[in-house]
Amino acid sequence: ETGVTQTPRHLVMGMTNKKSLKCEQHLGHNAMYWYKQSAKKPLELMFVYSLEERVENNSVPSRFSPECPNSSHLFLHLHTLQPEDSALYLCASSQASGSSYNEQFFGPGTRLTVL
Amino acid sequence: AQSVAQPEDQVNVAEGNPLTVKCTYSVSGNPYLFWYVQYPNRGLQFLLKYITGDNLVKGSYGFEAEFNKSQTSFHLKKPSALVSDSALYFCAVRGWAAGNKLTFGGGTRVLVKP
Repeated sequence: ETGVTQTPRHLVMGMTNKKSLKCEQHLGHNAMYWYKQSAKKPLELMFVYSLEERVENNSVPSRFSPECPNSSHLFLHLHTLQPEDSALYLCASSQASGSSYNEQFFGPGTRLTVL
Repeated sequence: AQSVAQPEDQVNVAEGNPLTVKCTYSVSGNPYLFWYVQYPNRGLQFLLKYITGDNLVKGSYGFEAEFNKSQTSFHLKKPSALVSDSALYFCAVRGWAAGNKLTFGGGTRVLVKP
């Protein structure tokens, strides 16, 4: 496996379900990100982890819960979602050194549909 | 606060003609600027970046972009478009003090017709 992988690629869930999205990066990076991409809206940054510590949380509802157990893996735990949460969820990684952050590399995304 | 504007939702161009996708930005201090492309059912793919130095930046697949500080613009260009360049293009900016927080534009859909 190379680059950034995400599983599952597609997920359909009911509003009462609990599910998790998984992201794995094979690039040796030390920063990872979750983005939400909805139709006709700009890409929204949700969470940032740098060196496994959460450094950014953009007022995301608590029904989204991130987890970064190590520098290669990132999870997004989902529970009691709403239909408006249906979107493409993108994971990305980058190499952060000092105050410099390089370009981000993105996974293919998980297409989430909440019924 | 930092922001990016991509004024065109869609750009149509004939194959072989020059392609330009516009981007303007607002940021405190010196900007770090990026272009990404997204093909259907795929994640974003990095094309090129401007950090410092030469205002003309060359990237992947024959794309280039010109940084213009006075006009706060970073337009993406390709001298001769291909049908396979049809995709969604995103401009992004990060201020020097913004750490790892990228702000993306709304995206421009490019359609290259044979």
